[in-house]
Amino acid sequence: DTAVSQTPKYLVTQMGNDKSIKCEQNLGHDTMYWYKQDSKKFLKIMFSYNNKELIINETVPNRFSPKSPDKAHLNLHINSLELGDSAVYFCASSPRLAANNEQFFGPGTRLTVL
Amino acid sequence: QKEVEQDPGPLSVPEGAIVSLNCTYSNSAFQYFMWYRQYSRKGPELLMYTYSSGNKEDGRFTAQVDKSSKYISLFIRDSQPSDSATYLCAIAGVQGAQKLVFGQGTRLTINP
Repeated sequence: DTAVSQTPKYLVTQMGNDKSIKCEQNLGHDTMYWYKQDSKKFLKIMFSYNNKELIINETVPNRFSPKSPDKAHLNLHINSLELGDSAVYFCASSPRLAANNEQFFGPGTRLTVL
Repeated sequence: QKEVEQDPGPLSVPEGAIVSLNCTYSNSAFQYFMWYRQYSRKGPELLMYTYSSGNKEDGRFTAQVDKSSKYISLFIRDSQPSDSATYLCAIAGVQGAQKLVFGQGTRLTINP
């Protein structure tokens, strides 16, 4: 029973393409997040949603557009992919909108832009 | 200056050694301090959580926070090969406590 799942696990694509990553959590949590982990292992928050409402939007290019159809799902669409977008993208969820809540991470999506 | 600084290592020690992992942070308003463990090709998972200053022990793991020095530590006693992973400190408590700020992570290898 996977708590936080992401698809796909691996994504290899050409520069300029548009791609989406999907995330689902079955924990009944209110808050979901997208993080980007670069090759040096820096894990940085990109977005957070609480009950489908956008709460945190870090300085992320507007080529990245999150969408939360319901509180169990948070998808990430990326337009016009660039080489620098290559990274591992993690989805996470927490019970409530409070940073001291434990965050449960998905397995990650390894994106490679050629 | 980064909000959270962590030596990325790598750190390699023999099995049974005591391991010390550390982070420093810049903003004294941080109140919540966590350590996440990330195995290779996996997502991070919460290992230890501490609020404000002091020590917290859980089995072989001890988390220590010194707010006066803005310094947090994770100690692993009797280290095991299964402890080999990347350890990330994470800190929160600023701007409505809605965001976790992660350190770069220290890659640790325990050699049998």
